[in-house]
Amino acid sequence: DTEVTQTPKHLVMGMTNKKSLKCEQHMGHRAMYWYKQKAKKPPELMFVYSYEKLSINESVPSRFSPECPNSSLLNLHLHALQPEDSALYLCASSQMTGEVMRNQPQHFGDGTRLSIL
Amino acid sequence: RKEVEQDPGPFNVPEGATVAFNCTYSNSASQSFFWYRQDCRKEPKLLMSVYSSGNEDGRFTAQLNRASQYISLLIRDSKLSDSATYLCVRYNAGNMLTFGGGTRLMVKP
Repeated sequence: DTEVTQTPKHLVMGMTNKKSLKCEQHMGHRAMYWYKQKAKKPPELMFVYSYEKLSINESVPSRFSPECPNSSLLNLHLHALQPEDSALYLCASSQMTGEVMRNQPQHFGDGTRLSIL
Repeated sequence: RKEVEQDPGPFNVPEGATVAFNCTYSNSASQSFFWYRQDCRKEPKLLMSVYSSGNEDGRFTAQLNRASQYISLLIRDSKLSDSATYLCVRYNAGNMLTFGGGTRLMVKP
């Protein structure tokens, strides 16, 4: 069982809809991430939050809008998506390396499978 | 050259076989690596961390060769449940990861 929880598991939306993906972790991790993964490809990083502040945006289109309300929650707001945005969206979290001695792996949620009609 | 490169496979092996994957990386300053496994339509799950001298966990052994800039994953006594895609991942400064393209393993009865 994953310790990073994502909802919903599946989402089908039209190109004019607005929806949000949610991610929650209670491991005390202060770094959280959004990834996009297409079939037979590795995950692609979208956003990184460190201590609830956006630290990295990998040139993601503005139709994706992340939000970190607190240290346990991470949202991804979706608006006016395109068919090519259909993918598995993965949330991950990790400890901040500065807080521990060794470089820290990321722990992934089981993802939201998004289909854009 | 990709930063982290893997043979995509698939590697088709019989149950009980020993199989090894290599992963090459281009940044000689890289310090830490991880192996993740990903089942079809599931999330990546951490399999092993790989530090300077490598490590072993049951049937799985990971090695790091800094001189040749590759890491390896050895799986002994393969099980059907080992069938998955194995992702070689490099840790970067700023808590970021660079993923290889993955190696697909199929273990057959």
